[in-house]
Amino acid sequence: EDKVVQSPLSLVVHEGDTVTLNCSYEVTNFRSLLWYKQEKKAPTFLFMLTSSGIEKKSGRLSSILDKKELFSILNITATQTGDSAIYLCAVTFNNDMRFGAGTRLTVKP
Amino acid sequence: DSGVTQTPKHLITATGQRVTLRCSPRSGDLSVYWYQQSLDQGLQFLIQYYNGEERAKGNILERFSAQQFPDLHSELNLSSLELGDSALYFCASSPKGVAADTQYFGPGTRLTVL
Repeated sequence: EDKVVQSPLSLVVHEGDTVTLNCSYEVTNFRSLLWYKQEKKAPTFLFMLTSSGIEKKSGRLSSILDKKELFSILNITATQTGDSAIYLCAVTFNNDMRFGAGTRLTVKP
Repeated sequence: DSGVTQTPKHLITATGQRVTLRCSPRSGDLSVYWYQQSLDQGLQFLIQYYNGEERAKGNILERFSAQQFPDLHSELNLSSLELGDSALYFCASSPKGVAADTQYFGPGTRLTVL
């Protein structure tokens, strides 16, 4: 069965900490892996990864994909309270798309 | 503001009824996606349309259907509603609808089935 698993489900850190969020997947005919940030309402796009070993970076956020081991990580350095959100990982495969359950990140002042 | 609009924002209806959710994509985007987000199931991909034609299908029930019109807006029709259909329904759009596209999400329609 095609699945996407995120860990941890929940994480509480303090401002300035660095966090690593994990996403592993088992799908047939993988196409891409996407990371989204969801605060109060709609998800906002962060990264899309299709090639193994190439890091995508945007400010304090970065992500990398390992297609051999079937996982991706999302790193956030020097966390801020505004980073508090649910981070969703999604994998596209064949003509379908599957989301993980998300990681709820809480950044305390 | 992503540029994707969805109406209505909230919808309350009864079991057995039928509702239509509407989505207008960003100007120039040809592809529209529909998602369902509920507390127990998380975010689930339902269906994708590209330039009026169905492109991809996810976990969409037979009671649900969608279409994309010539002006590229899309409607999601939900019929024979059940309590379990209560959820937040998102629409997203992208320029081409291929794996390399960024999807821009609308604000969602919250459906409550009583």
